[in-house]
Amino acid sequence: KAGVTQTPRYLIKTRGQQVTLSCSPISGHRSVSWYQQTPGQGLQFLFEYFSETQRNKGNFPGRFSGRQFSNSRSEMNVSTLELGDSALYLCASSPWKTNNEQFFGPGTRLTVL
Amino acid sequence: KQEVTQIPAALSVPEGENLVLNCSFTDSAIYNLQWFRQDPGKGLTSLLLIQSSQREQTSGRLNASLDKSSGRSTLYIAASQPGDSATYLCAVIESGNQFYFGTGTSLTVIP
Repeated sequence: KAGVTQTPRYLIKTRGQQVTLSCSPISGHRSVSWYQQTPGQGLQFLFEYFSETQRNKGNFPGRFSGRQFSNSRSEMNVSTLELGDSALYLCASSPWKTNNEQFFGPGTRLTVL
Repeated sequence: KQEVTQIPAALSVPEGENLVLNCSFTDSAIYNLQWFRQDPGKGLTSLLLIQSSQREQTSGRLNASLDKSSGRSTLYIAASQPGDSATYLCAVIESGNQFYFGTGTSLTVIP
C-alpha cells in the first residue's frame, strides 16, 4: 500500500505570495491532518479534515486554510506569505475513527524569501 | 492546554547500549500515545501506538510503556545500533484526534 505523498517536496516563495500544498493520504484513510515544523516551535498542529469537513483547528492565523476533497486528498493554502512561514509542512493520515494511529508524509519544505 | 516534554533533549550512546527515552504530559485525560522517529529533513515514521487501555507495546527492539496516572511514557531501545540515530518524538492523543507533540530527543549511536 502506498504511503502518504506530498507535493511539491520543496518550494521557494517570496513574501506576500500565496502557496498551495497537496497531500494524498493512504488509500482508505479518511482523516488528514496538517502540521508545521520549525526548529524554534517544533511540531504544531494546523488543522484536521475528515470526510471533507474541518474537524479540528490549531492556533494559526486565518492566512492558513485547507480543504479536503471527496477522494480524501487534501490541500492547504497559505496566503500573504511571511518570512516566519518558512518551515517543513507535514501531512498525516489515519484510517477513519478518532484516536487512530497517524502516518506521515515526507513533508514539503517551504522557504519564504 | 496539554504540554508534552521529552527528556533528555539529546543523547549520545555507544553502539550496543540499552537506552530509555522519556516523555511526560500534563493532562492525563488522553486516549492514546504514539512514538515516532524522524530522520533529518524527513517526515515522521510511526514506531508504536499505545492505546489508553494498554500499559505497553513492543515491536522488535523497541518497547514503549504508558502510565497515564503519572503522565509518563518511556521508550526503551535495546541493543542500540547506528541506524537508530534519529530524533524521537512522542505525541499524546486527546479526544477528537487532537495530537500534541513533544519537542523530541535527538539520539546519536556511536559505532
